[in-house]
Amino acid sequence: NAGVTQTPKFQVLKTGQSMTLQCAQDMNHEYMSWYRQDPGMGLRLIHYSVGAGITDQGEVPNGYNVSRSTTEDFPLRLLSAAPSQTSVYFCASSYSLGAGANVLTFGAGSRLTVL
Amino acid sequence: SQELEQSPQSLIVQEGKNLTINCTSSKTLYGLYWYKQKYGEGLIFLMMLQKGGEEKSHEKITAKLDEKKQQSSLHITASQPSHAGIYLCGADEGGATNKLIFGTGTLLAVQP
Repeated sequence: NAGVTQTPKFQVLKTGQSMTLQCAQDMNHEYMSWYRQDPGMGLRLIHYSVGAGITDQGEVPNGYNVSRSTTEDFPLRLLSAAPSQTSVYFCASSYSLGAGANVLTFGAGSRLTVL
Repeated sequence: SQELEQSPQSLIVQEGKNLTINCTSSKTLYGLYWYKQKYGEGLIFLMMLQKGGEEKSHEKITAKLDEKKQQSSLHITASQPSHAGIYLCGADEGGATNKLIFGTGTLLAVQP
């Protein structure tokens, strides 16, 4: 099993450019989420999905879009990149829902720099 | 909204020494998770605690959740260089979702 696969690992963008961070899992997990990690701020939840066709906002959703057309894939889109979106992005998934079930499997991360 | 505060923010210990990392929540914890992150990698799940007073151990790492369920500690006995990394605590926000909020992390360095 590959687990959670994120691509690309590194990306440099210019302000105003758009891009999509890809996330795929092969564990048939219902729940998927995107976090960003910034120095001194831990991980902050951007968007999450509890199943195909269902998405919702986390703590810091502005500037990001997501969709969940299949169980396996959960892409994160930046429509118009800003320097404030320079960060390391992590995708995570888990097999069940509800409190006490947050044993998340994380991808290796995608480091994004916006100039 | 719930907030998690970790202390210390960073820690340097000599190999073989014991250490403790704390995680304090602004609200009652319904599920507390400890993860470890090595530099440039994703997070690896260590342990989950749900009941007040619960304690779990894995190899030389022990985690506890206090009776009031608002604080957890992670204790490493006889630290090794392999223990180095960032330790993060996470907490369930509750409800029928898996929304997990994280503390700011503790950076641990172990000097040989």
